[in-house]
Amino acid sequence: RKEVEQDPGPFNVPEGATVAFNCTYSNSASQSFFWYRQDCRKEPKLLMSVYSSGNEDGRFTAQLNRASQYISLLIRDSKLSDSATYLCVVTPSSNTGKLIFGQGTTLQVKP
Amino acid sequence: DAGITQSPRHKVTETGTPVTLRCHQTENHRYMYWYRQDPGHGLRLIHYSYGVKDTDKGEVSDGYSVSRSKTEDFLLTLESATSSQTSVYFCATLQGDRTGELFFGEGSRLTVL
Repeated sequence: RKEVEQDPGPFNVPEGATVAFNCTYSNSASQSFFWYRQDCRKEPKLLMSVYSSGNEDGRFTAQLNRASQYISLLIRDSKLSDSATYLCVVTPSSNTGKLIFGQGTTLQVKP
Repeated sequence: DAGITQSPRHKVTETGTPVTLRCHQTENHRYMYWYRQDPGHGLRLIHYSYGVKDTDKGEVSDGYSVSRSKTEDFLLTLESATSSQTSVYFCATLQGDRTGELFFGEGSRLTVL
């Protein structure tokens, strides 16, 4: 089983839609969680950290469910510019300098 | 911008030849990483470093070695390249200690024929 798993998609949604991605992790002692965004043929960039209490940044909401070992990303009012691959990242507690990526979920927002 | 430069950006080589990819950073970050990215696998950690001469293996370290003789440089070496090592290689540094934002270089596209 992979340490971090995501549904690769693609998720095809119309502009204005709300879309949600989940990411599951296998190590229950994992400490830190992040969502990164990667545009086609570009390097990944941090979208947002995920805090235990959940957090929101504009149209983006991230949540952590430790009991079920998953994190989620909700995008409201999707824009064409949101089309990208969204990568879930987890820091295992056994060595917190090591960051493990999921394979990514591809989102395509259509006009 | 964390001032990360990868070189070369593109390389085509033949099976069995040695290849070295270089990552250079200007921010004095302690942690540096090498990932490879392949379709269907996402980003997989090859090796990482937590200081000069301090390195550790990642998920897919077989066939790769690294060196960090200076804070600013992290080298990835393929001693004898194979076609399965055709990939896009990303270097990254970590802002802060252990947790924080990863900054990535623009990637190095390696093709092994």
